[in-house]
Amino acid sequence: QKEVEQNSGPLSVPEGAIASLNCTYSDRGSQSFFWYRQYSGKSPELIMSIYSNGDKEDGRFTAQLNKASQYVSLLIRDSQPSDSATYLCAMNRGNQFYFGTGTSLTVIP
Amino acid sequence: GAVVSQHPSRVICKSGTSVKIECRSLDFQATTMFWYRQFPKKSLMLMATSNEGSKATYEQGVEKDKFLINHASLTLSTLTVTSAHPEDSSFYICSARDRGREFFGPGTRLTVL
Repeated sequence: QKEVEQNSGPLSVPEGAIASLNCTYSDRGSQSFFWYRQYSGKSPELIMSIYSNGDKEDGRFTAQLNKASQYVSLLIRDSQPSDSATYLCAMNRGNQFYFGTGTSLTVIP
Repeated sequence: GAVVSQHPSRVICKSGTSVKIECRSLDFQATTMFWYRQFPKKSLMLMATSNEGSKATYEQGVEKDKFLINHASLTLSTLTVTSAHPEDSSFYICSARDRGREFFGPGTRLTVL
């Protein structure tokens, strides 16, 4: 079983809708969780980090962490075509970082 | 967030030559940096962990004699692809961690003819 699992998609949503991206992880000892955005041909960019159960909001982005169920999600409100990218979730346990394979999101104008 | 730079951003070379890629942490010190490779439409693959002042740690299947890593200072790690071949053509990305978060450089696109 992979440390971090993501649905590779592609996920398509219309402009203005809410995009929901999900990620599950296998190790309850995981400490920190991150969402990265990667545009085609570019390197990943950190957009959210979350460390405790619940929701964390930053602009149109909301990260949700549920340690009991071992999932972390990213909601993008009022999705824009510029949000079209691959979203990677990652977790940290000690000195180890584990990345998911990414979910491709397309926001349709 | 912390800033990581890479140079060059793009390189084209002939088969058999060696290519050096630099990774710098610009506003923080990084005792550890990481080198990834990403093929088109594929996920990140960790190649090696670069440790300042000591030998790099390579992931399984990565040839240490082909991908030479040097981490001579707290802000600079270099990856040298030796005797490059067309199959080494890829997007090479370095990263460094600052206060528990990992930040990526902009990447180097290597094309070996």
